[in-house]
Amino acid sequence: AQSVTQPDIHITVSEGASLELRCNYSYGATPYLFWYVQSPGQGLQLLLKYFSGDTLVQGIKGFEAEFKRSQSSFNLRKPSVHWSDAAEYFCAVGPSGNTGKLIFGQGTTLQVKP
Amino acid sequence: DTAVSQTPKYLVTQMGNDKSIKCEQNLGHDTMYWYKQDSKKFLKIMFSYNNKELIINETVPNRFSPKSPDKAHLNLHINSLELGDSAVYFCASSQAQGGYTEAFFGQGTRLTVV
Repeated sequence: AQSVTQPDIHITVSEGASLELRCNYSYGATPYLFWYVQSPGQGLQLLLKYFSGDTLVQGIKGFEAEFKRSQSSFNLRKPSVHWSDAAEYFCAVGPSGNTGKLIFGQGTTLQVKP
Repeated sequence: DTAVSQTPKYLVTQMGNDKSIKCEQNLGHDTMYWYKQDSKKFLKIMFSYNNKELIINETVPNRFSPKSPDKAHLNLHINSLELGDSAVYFCASSQAQGGYTEAFFGQGTRLTVV
């Protein structure tokens, strides 16, 4: 069965510190992988995506993620966190067949300490 | 121009009422979706429409009826609202046929049933 696991429900980091959010997936074929961010009361914004090619992908707002097939992981990283990064982060895998369906992880809440 | 727009942003209604949420995308995508985000922020697909044709119906109660008058619009009608329907509903769109593109999400509709 296809699934996405984000092991960390809640993470707190100090402003300026580095960040890594974990994502593990289970998917039958080569997956497309995504990280979305949801700020309070807002919709989902795509941070970055992996379809193929270079396994280290760069996204918006200084985020990057690395696809590791052997570990079925797609962890999100940022070298220096800003207070405005506080939000909910979702990892997703898909699409399922030609349906475009995405399967989301449970989300990780990022809190940034001043 | 907003890529995926849904209205209303907030909806408070009494149990038993019928309500609709509207969604429009101006990205030229062929596929539109409704996702539900529950109180624990878990996102799960409800419906997917490709060129006005229903592709996915994820065991959603038949009180929920999506309608797609054209491929740029996907509305969600809910009959006989129940307390458990309280959630945030997200509309999204993507290209799913002939080469997938990432999904773009609307701002969400927070439905509160009292």
